[in-house]
Amino acid sequence: GAGVSQSPRYKVAKRGQDVALRCDPISGHVSLFWYQQALGQGPEFLTYFQNEAQLDKSGLPSDRFFAERPEGSVSTLKIQRTQQEDSAVYLCASSLHDRDPNEKLFFGSGTQLSVL
Amino acid sequence: AQTVTQSQPEMSVQEAETVTLSCTYDTSESDYYLFWYKQPPSRQMILVIRQEAYKQQNATENRFSVNFQKAAKSFSLKISDSQLGDAAMYFCAYRSGGNQGGKLIFGQGTELSVKP
Repeated sequence: GAGVSQSPRYKVAKRGQDVALRCDPISGHVSLFWYQQALGQGPEFLTYFQNEAQLDKSGLPSDRFFAERPEGSVSTLKIQRTQQEDSAVYLCASSLHDRDPNEKLFFGSGTQLSVL
Repeated sequence: AQTVTQSQPEMSVQEAETVTLSCTYDTSESDYYLFWYKQPPSRQMILVIRQEAYKQQNATENRFSVNFQKAAKSFSLKISDSQLGDAAMYFCAYRSGGNQGGKLIFGQGTELSVKP
């Protein structure tokens, strides 16, 4: 695709519901990142994939958060038993390689999650 | 751990004037990269400019330039000839060098408004 695509753009969930957020990276991109951005704050790292391998999940705030990228392309971030503090924008980003920290990251427009 | 601090929550500039956004960071690493990202209301992060820590020369991209003071751990962004389209949230970000999948560490952001 032309860019990183995320869906849905908005999601409203009742507290306790499970949600799944999807990220379609640019075709062929090896690296994929998930970030959480609370209102009025900068994004915070959640997890990183190199192809299908989840190499860093140190930013996941609890075991209710789970991410996967089974075929090395599309990724899903799942949040179980949502809580109000999970309300945030969830951003996905991808890059072609993973060897160069200076390489450009391409961001999606995010999913805004509101937990009522 | 590395941290990034933006001490100006909001800034305002007159159209065609120049504005400087401040950023400081803390790290014990010698190999790293610094970035400025723009986030408009569409939420998609857009790379504005980047700087390799090993380069003494300040990066420049058209109307955007940085003042990189490595010893002071300061990385400010200067926007010249400000345009209405420059209005957005601006985030300073840090990325470690030399490792795979280096995550970005963001500051809290500065909201820039441009007055016509």
